[in-house]
Amino acid sequence: SQQGEEDPQALSIQEGENATMNCSYKTSINNLQWYRQNSGRGLVHLILIRSNEREKHSGRLRVTLDTSKKSSSLLITASRAADTASYFCATDASGAGSYQLTFGKGTKLSVIP
Amino acid sequence: EPEVTQTPSHQVTQMGQEVILRCVPISNHLYFYWYRQILGQKVEFLVSFYNNEISEKSEIFDDQFSVERPDGSNFTLKIRSTKLEDSAMYFCASRRASPGEKLFFGSGTQLSVL
Repeated sequence: SQQGEEDPQALSIQEGENATMNCSYKTSINNLQWYRQNSGRGLVHLILIRSNEREKHSGRLRVTLDTSKKSSSLLITASRAADTASYFCATDASGAGSYQLTFGKGTKLSVIP
Repeated sequence: EPEVTQTPSHQVTQMGQEVILRCVPISNHLYFYWYRQILGQKVEFLVSFYNNEISEKSEIFDDQFSVERPDGSNFTLKIRSTKLEDSAMYFCASRRASPGEKLFFGSGTQLSVL
């Protein structure tokens, strides 16, 4: 599999429920970032977690990082219809000879009102 | 908040034609990127640019592709002879520093090669 693989590929929930998306990666990272993409639009940065952090919160978002398992999860609490979008994790191995962020395939989240 | 701007938003071209996609990164950013996304698929890295030269490129970024920063503000992606499989959304992105900073993305240019 490739760096930054999210699962599930698609997730459909009712408004008010929590949504959890997972990401696995293969190589060492400097940090891991989550982005959101509304249909046909650019990606918007949501949250960044560094390799020495285990958990981070931002509003209704909670991100965890387990570097021993090379995995991360994004939890959106009390989801809203406006949260409907695709969510991508991106690994940042910058500083190890690479300047890029590597994106996964994304999780398409649908929040039903 | 400052924005990365991309033009045009849509570009339709014939196979074999050259296209230039334009981007204006955020003014104090130092690292510039092109990514592409084929409909419904992952966001793929094409190239990164720093200090007026390519710092990294992917296998997708072959001899048909080139990037340029012709002045202090614009950052362009040129595809010399487009193929059908170049049809995708192309995103420009920039960030102030690397590593440890987020990327700011433009809204993208939808390229359709006929």
